[in-house]
Amino acid sequence: AQSVAQPEDQVNVAEGNPLTVKCTYSVSGNPYLFWYVQYPNRGLQFLLKYITGDNLVKGSYGFEAEFNKSQTSFHLKKPSALVSDSALYFCAVRFLTNDMRFGAGTRLTVKP
Amino acid sequence: IAGITQAPTSQILAAGRRMTLRCTQDMRHNAMYWYRQDLGLGLRLIHYSNTAGTTGKGEVPDGYSVSRANTDDFPLTLASAVPSQTSVYFCASSAGAGFYNEQFFGPGTRLTVL
Repeated sequence: AQSVAQPEDQVNVAEGNPLTVKCTYSVSGNPYLFWYVQYPNRGLQFLLKYITGDNLVKGSYGFEAEFNKSQTSFHLKKPSALVSDSALYFCAVRFLTNDMRFGAGTRLTVKP
Repeated sequence: IAGITQAPTSQILAAGRRMTLRCTQDMRHNAMYWYRQDLGLGLRLIHYSNTAGTTGKGEVPDGYSVSRANTDDFPLTLASAVPSQTSVYFCASSAGAGFYNEQFFGPGTRLTVL
């Protein structure tokens, strides 16, 4: 089955520390992977995507993600977290033209 | 400011009533989508449209219908609402339907069916 999983419902980090939000996927063929962020009472905003090429993808607001084919993972990272990064983060995989499958989401809280 | 607008922002609806959620984009995107967001389930695709005049079913289409008469508008209709359709609904669009296209999301409609 084609799916994406976010194993952590909640991630807590201190401001200034590095953060990682985990995502694993299961898809036949080449995966097309995305990260989105959702702030309270807002729609999702695109952060970054992996299509092909370099395994390390850089995106908006200083975020990056590393595609690891052997571990079927696409973890979101940031070297130094900000309080304003606190939000709900969604990993998504696209395996058919019109079918974007989202993970359940991970709530990131960055404490001052 | 270019983007996606949705209306209404929120709605409380009696079960059995008909409801249309509106979505308009001004980015001239070819593809549009409707998702529902439920706690612990992420977003699930209801219906999509690759281009004006065409629509297709997503992961959870039952009880919903869509139309795409033009590029900009993509309304979602609940013919006879049921409480299980209580959710937050998001409209999205992308430049094309290709695998590599990211989607842009509207602000959402919070729907409560009693």
